[in-house]
Amino acid sequence: GAGVSQTPSNKVTEKGKYVELRCDPISGHTALYWYRQSLGQGPEFLIYFQGTGAADDSGLPNDRFFAVRPEGSVSTLKIQRTERGDSAVYLCASSLLSAANEQFFGPGTRLTVL
Amino acid sequence: QKEVEQDPGPLSVPEGAIVSLNCTYSNSAFQYFMWYRQYSRKGPELLMYTYSSGNKEDGRFTAQVDKSSKYISLFIRDSQPSDSATYLCAMRTTQGGSEKLVFGKGMKLTVNP
Repeated sequence: GAGVSQTPSNKVTEKGKYVELRCDPISGHTALYWYRQSLGQGPEFLIYFQGTGAADDSGLPNDRFFAVRPEGSVSTLKIQRTERGDSAVYLCASSLLSAANEQFFGPGTRLTVL
Repeated sequence: QKEVEQDPGPLSVPEGAIVSLNCTYSNSAFQYFMWYRQYSRKGPELLMYTYSSGNKEDGRFTAQVDKSSKYISLFIRDSQPSDSATYLCAMRTTQGGSEKLVFGKGMKLTVNP
């Protein structure tokens, strides 16, 4: 079956602009996660949704970052007033249930802020 | 000090070698330990997970967890060129409803034919 998909695969934007990154989880997966991976680093947790609600947003770096999952399926990560330091690969993962030991990752969106 | 430490390498070995990858951690609340493999420009994929201490074997891969030393390892036997990838250790707790994974930096492995 289809895995986690993320769009766009690449996004180049200018400093100060607003961007939206989309994640389509595996059908039926109730838990959804966003991570950020900088060059040469492991993924860092941003936010976790159980259904429509954000159960843990402790990894969001500041209030320029926001994520939604209005219908409990697709999620959008929104970044306002982008900065060069936001450049990274943004990874989305989903799992069938919360507390599942396998999070299935998408290929990521590579964000470059010029 | 980061919660999870992993030597980023890179590590280059000949085909057929035994590879040992390791991570240390500082948070004693970690109960689940995973190893992910990540090919270039792809998302991580789960190789193995272990709950608490002990060993787990799956084909050519063996995962070990030593909670007393806060040390985990992944061994790859008879390594193949197709094993060339970045290997990430990851951990999570069962406390406070947190589902987040905490990753190491990743070790880049090249297996030469």
